[in-house]
Amino acid sequence: ELKVEQNPLFLSMQEGKNYTIYCNYSTTSDRLYWYRQDPGKSLESLFVLLSNGAVKQEGRLMASLDTKARLSTLHITAAVHDLSATYFCAVDYNNDMRFGAGTRLTVKP
Amino acid sequence: DGGITQSPKYLFRKEGQNVTLSCEQNLNHDAMYWYRQDPGQGLRLIYYSQIVNDFQKGDIAEGYSVSREKKESFPLTVTSAQKNPTAFYLCASSMSGTSKTQYFGPGTRLLVL
Repeated sequence: ELKVEQNPLFLSMQEGKNYTIYCNYSTTSDRLYWYRQDPGKSLESLFVLLSNGAVKQEGRLMASLDTKARLSTLHITAAVHDLSATYFCAVDYNNDMRFGAGTRLTVKP
Repeated sequence: DGGITQSPKYLFRKEGQNVTLSCEQNLNHDAMYWYRQDPGQGLRLIYYSQIVNDFQKGDIAEGYSVSREKKESFPLTVTSAQKNPTAFYLCASSMSGTSKTQYFGPGTRLLVL
């Protein structure tokens, strides 16, 4: 069965700093997704990574996928307070999707 | 406007009562999903449906039931057999094809009285 592990689960960072969230998964999959969830809200799609070596960037967030290592990263550049949220990675599995436990990011001034 | 709607936003259940959560989408998506999220946790799949009149159990289907009579609608019933139903319930839908990004509704928060 597919397992999806994120780390860290909690991340507190200063504004202006860089950091990376990691997402490991246990079986072969060519599709990986990143979502953002604000407290008490639903999930918002950030990135879809569809092939080995795929890299997507939006603002201060950049996601990449290494299917051979079964690893995706979400890199945060020069963090700002507005990025505070919980970030989930998810991997296609059969006909549905498996989510990681989420990384709760807090950006402090 | 295209999107996914869920109702109600908050729902209170009494002991032994069945309650139904609504999920409607006008995105013309084939697939629909129900997830449960407990505080501070990730999402766990309850049921999913790839086409009308067909659905499959997810990881935590016990105590829940669904129907898919129309493409646009995928209601979830929380039965009295679900002993710990308090959670945030999220409905999602996706297209078939290469990118199966799931689009989520706003969620229903279920509380037990």
